[in-house]
Amino acid sequence: QQPVQSPQAVILREGEDAVINCSSSKALYSVHWYRQKHGEAPVFLMILLKGGEQKGHEKISASFNEKKQQSSLYLTASQLSYSGTYFCGTERGDDKIIFGKGTRLHILP
Amino acid sequence: KAGVTQTPRYLIKTRGQQVTLSCSPISGHRSVSWYQQTPGQGLQFLFEYFSETQRNKGNFPGRFSGRQFSNSRSEMNVSTLELGDSALYLCASSFSGTVRGDEQYFGPGTRLTVT
Repeated sequence: QQPVQSPQAVILREGEDAVINCSSSKALYSVHWYRQKHGEAPVFLMILLKGGEQKGHEKISASFNEKKQQSSLYLTASQLSYSGTYFCGTERGDDKIIFGKGTRLHILP
Repeated sequence: KAGVTQTPRYLIKTRGQQVTLSCSPISGHRSVSWYQQTPGQGLQFLFEYFSETQRNKGNFPGRFSGRQFSNSRSEMNVSTLELGDSALYLCASSFSGTVRGDEQYFGPGTRLTVT
C-alpha cells in the first residue's frame, strides 16, 4: 500500500533538472509532495487531486496520471536550496496519507 | 500566524513507561494528523483527528492512542514503551483535512528515545 518512489537518491549539479516518480498499486484520490531538509519538518510542495486540480508553489511542477496511479515531480534548473528528501504521499479519499520512503536529492555547486 | 508547535521537543524514556506528546495546530485548523518517522520506515501515519473525533487510524498497535480537545490541540499517548518506539513523532495540521485538498503544515516534531 505504501507508494514506491524512484529514484531512491540522486545527485545533481546546480542548474540541472530532475524528475522524481511516485507510483501506487491502488486507485488514488490525491497525491501530495513534501520536501524535508535534514533536522527540519517536512514542508508542503504540491497537491494533485483527482480530476486535475493542483495546488502548490509556482516554481514546482508535477503531474498525476490517474489511470496509472502515478505522479512525477519536476525540478527544473535546480538550486542548492532544493537539496533534501522528497516524499510523495498518496491518499484514497479517506484523509489518510501514506508516504513513500523518500527520494534523497543532493545538489552540488 | 504562528506555526504548529509540539512539546516537548526531546524526550528520553525507559522501556515500559508511557509518554504523552502534545501538538498545537495553526489557529483555525481543525484537522490534526500524527506521524511516526524512523530511518527505516520513513513517515508512517498514526491517526487523524477532526473536531475532537478520530477520523482515521494507521496500522499501529493499541498502545498508541490520541485525542483532540475542543480548541483543536491534540495529544498522543504511547503506553508500555518499547525500544522500537524510538522515533521522531510529527504532527501536522490542516484546515479541514487532506481529502479536501488542504495542505498540511508540520510541526518540528518530538524526538523520543526509549532506552
